[in-house]
Amino acid sequence: GENVGLHLPTLSVQEGDNSIINCAYSNSASDYFIWYKQESGKGPQFIIDIRSNMDKRQGQRVTVLLNKTVKHLSLQIAATQPGDSAVYFCAESGNTPLVFGKGTRLSVIA
Amino acid sequence: DAMVIQNPRYQVTQFGKPVTLSCSQTLNHNVMYWYQQKSSQAPKLLFHYYDKDFNNEADTPDNFQSRRPNTSFCFLDIRSPGLGDAAMYLCATSRAGHYNQPQHFGDGTRLSIL
Repeated sequence: GENVGLHLPTLSVQEGDNSIINCAYSNSASDYFIWYKQESGKGPQFIIDIRSNMDKRQGQRVTVLLNKTVKHLSLQIAATQPGDSAVYFCAESGNTPLVFGKGTRLSVIA
Repeated sequence: DAMVIQNPRYQVTQFGKPVTLSCSQTLNHNVMYWYQQKSSQAPKLLFHYYDKDFNNEADTPDNFQSRRPNTSFCFLDIRSPGLGDAAMYLCATSRAGHYNQPQHFGDGTRLSIL
């Protein structure tokens, strides 16, 4: 049923600091992982993805780390900016449609 | 330019009155998805089309149906909306081949039930 009153975990960071958003996944058969950013009133926007044959992948200001042993995924954002304020979702796939994690709200303090 | 376009952005309907949400794409992707997203929650997959093959999630209510008349368009029909169906509805697409690739989302339709 619906989780009435559910609150997203929130991460508050100072502008210019690095942010780390964590995600635990449960399906050991998942071999593809992706991070999305969702701003208020918009659809999820692709940030970065990683396949299970890698443990690290870097993009512009973002890095995704994958630890398959403990089924953990993280998104690192360097030099966080006010425009990074949004909800961040991880998602996983074992050649199935993506399954989304619960999301983390990132608030950047100017 | 928007590649996954959802119309309308906001939809208001009455309790029990059928409503249709639409999605179009210019990516020529084979797979189209419909998600329901409630406030402060993750998107929840309702169903998806892999080309013309319809795939329903086990817990999607019978009240929700979908049509895909061609590659570019996909519709979400809610036959008798209840108050619990008020949510953001997201459409997404991905290329054919396998699911291990990014999905491209539209900006959603926010549905309100009076």
